[in-house]
Order: sequence, then structure tokens, then C-alpha cells
Amino acid sequence: GEDVEQSLFLSVREGDSSVINCTYTDSSSTYLYWYKQEPGAGLQLLTYIFSNMDMKQDQRLTVLLNKKDKHLSLRIADTQTGDSAIYFCAERTTNSGYSTLTFGKGTMLLVSP
Amino acid sequence: EAGVVQSPRYKIIEKKQPVAFWCNPISGHNTLYWYLQNLGQGPELLIRYENEEAVDDSQLPKDRFSAERLKGVDSTLKIQPAELGDSAVYLCASSSRLAGGVTDTQYFGPGTRLTVL
Repeated sequence: GEDVEQSLFLSVREGDSSVINCTYTDSSSTYLYWYKQEPGAGLQLLTYIFSNMDMKQDQRLTVLLNKKDKHLSLRIADTQTGDSAIYFCAERTTNSGYSTLTFGKGTMLLVSP
Repeated sequence: EAGVVQSPRYKIIEKKQPVAFWCNPISGHNTLYWYLQNLGQGPELLIRYENEEAVDDSQLPKDRFSAERLKGVDSTLKIQPAELGDSAVYLCASSSRLAGGVTDTQYFGPGTRLTVL
């Protein structure tokens, strides 16, 4: 079955690094995604990583994937107050030729000045 | 390029009333999704369209929910009659396979927040 778990809350100070963790269960996942949701808004795609990669870096964002442990993390360097939001991890699996996204419950990141 | 457009952004209705949500996907995206997001939860898929065909509606409560995408572009999601437990955010997303079918990445609209009184 498919299940994505995330810690619910993370609080950091502005300028620090934030690390948001995610575990998933489906070993056939092809892509893993990080989305950001600000209050009252939809989900904004931040980044994604293909399952045969270990790491992907995109400006302040670093994604690490440990496929053996089915563990995904998102590191935000130099966290700013504007990074305060809910971050969703999602795994993409393919079933009957169609891809499906399964989301975690989201991690609320609070950045204090 | 415009993103996924949804309307209305907010809707308040009394229980047993009907309600409809509209979605316009990103131009050229042939796949359209409707998701339900309850408070404190991640989005859950309700229905997926490939062009005008609903290819996965297994999670759509068909006794009261219906959806259509008649010309393979815009889509409407309807609830009739609405119940108190339908209060949630309804998200629309779209995607398009790149050449070679690489990512099929989903892009989301802002959602419609439904409150049923």
C-alpha cells in the first residue's frame, strides 16, 4: 500500500537551516515531490527528485533521497520568514499506466525573526 | 503563462443545497485532477481526467458528487446535496506528459474553500 508520513511541525529562527523529513512505503515510487502551501493558497511545486537520484540541489533547496530506507528530506538553507508555510511530501506511483500522487499530511514550518 | 484557474475561491452554503466548482487547467495540459483537502490533511484524489475521459473516479462519492469535462479543457465538479462533512478545500490540478513521458508533474490551482452550514 501507499503511505507517506511527515512530522507535523517545525520551528526555526530566521537564517537557520530547516530540514523537513518524510518517509514513504511504496518502493515502486518513480518521483518524489515537495510542495509548499501558504495560507489560503493552493499547492506550489517546489522541487522533485527522480527515484534513481540521491540528491538534488536547487538554490536554497536541497533534496536528499535514501531509497533503501524510503526516506526523503528537504533542506532549506538560510530560512526566511517568507518560508513559513505547510510543506507536503508526495510520492508518485504508476498503476495501470496512470500515475498517482499520494501526499503526506504536511509539515508546518514556522520561521521566527 | 497562466496557471490553473479555479472559481469561486470561497463558497458558503447551507446543507442540502447544491454547489459547483469550476476549473480551467494550464493551456495544453490534457490531464486534469480534482482533489479534496480536509483541514490538517494532504490532498486526496477524487477524480482524474485524460482529455474528456474520467480514467480514475474510484474515490468520488458518486451518490452526491459528479464531475464533467465535456470538451477536454474546463471541468466542473458538483455536489448535490451538500452535507456538513463536505466542508473542505477542493483543489484542481493539471499536468501534461513531456516528450517521452518524463515527469507528468502536477500543477495546482488556488482551490475553492467550501463551508457547509
